[in-house]
Amino acid sequence: AQKITQTQPGMFVQEKEAVTLDCTYDTSDQSYGLFWYKQPSSGEMIFLIYQGSYDEQNATEGRYSLNFQKARKSANLVISASQLGDSAMYFCAMRERETSGSRLTFGEGTQLTVNP
Amino acid sequence: DAGVIQSPRHEVTEMGQEVTLRCKPISGHDYLFWYRQTMMRGLELLIYFNNNVPIDDSGMPEDRFSAKMPNASFSTLKIQPSEPRDSAVYFCASSADGTGGETQYFGPGTRLLVL
Repeated sequence: AQKITQTQPGMFVQEKEAVTLDCTYDTSDQSYGLFWYKQPSSGEMIFLIYQGSYDEQNATEGRYSLNFQKARKSANLVISASQLGDSAMYFCAMRERETSGSRLTFGEGTQLTVNP
Repeated sequence: DAGVIQSPRHEVTEMGQEVTLRCKPISGHDYLFWYRQTMMRGLELLIYFNNNVPIDDSGMPEDRFSAKMPNASFSTLKIQPSEPRDSAVYFCASSADGTGGETQYFGPGTRLLVL
């Protein structure tokens, strides 16, 4: 079974609108961390946001927020007020401390295109 | 503050040649990771170190790949001999510790093309 599933290969959004990128995960660990990274066309991997499994509040970082639903095992990324520079590939990743130590497992990514 | 530094940024080589990729982690980070990214396999972890000691090398594809971390500020990933299927982007990442945010910060990557 896939550890991290991103079901949207591609997403389109109009500039200034909000967009949600889906991520579901599979783990039996009680303690784990969820991450989102952005990879623009230039290729670098940029850390966006982190959510710990014991965090009671959803993480927020500027225009990014993580909609964490533990019972559903989902960790969706919400980008508010989309900008043209948000066009990129977005990866969801998970660290399972008990099972995998410091290893991160990545999803296949979602290509986001922001239209003017 | 300097981020993770990788060199070279691009490498083109011929099949059978030795390739050495280099990485300097963020100062003070205890963990160092080597990833490979391809269209077919996505992002996959090759190996990671904690305090210069290899912890998990289960992702290293075969004996042609080796990684070392002689000190806290330098690591190498070597492919010998290289093959066309090794063509990929190789990322190095580092993190402060294994608890809390444990965020991994990535270098710019090395784009390797083996002809």
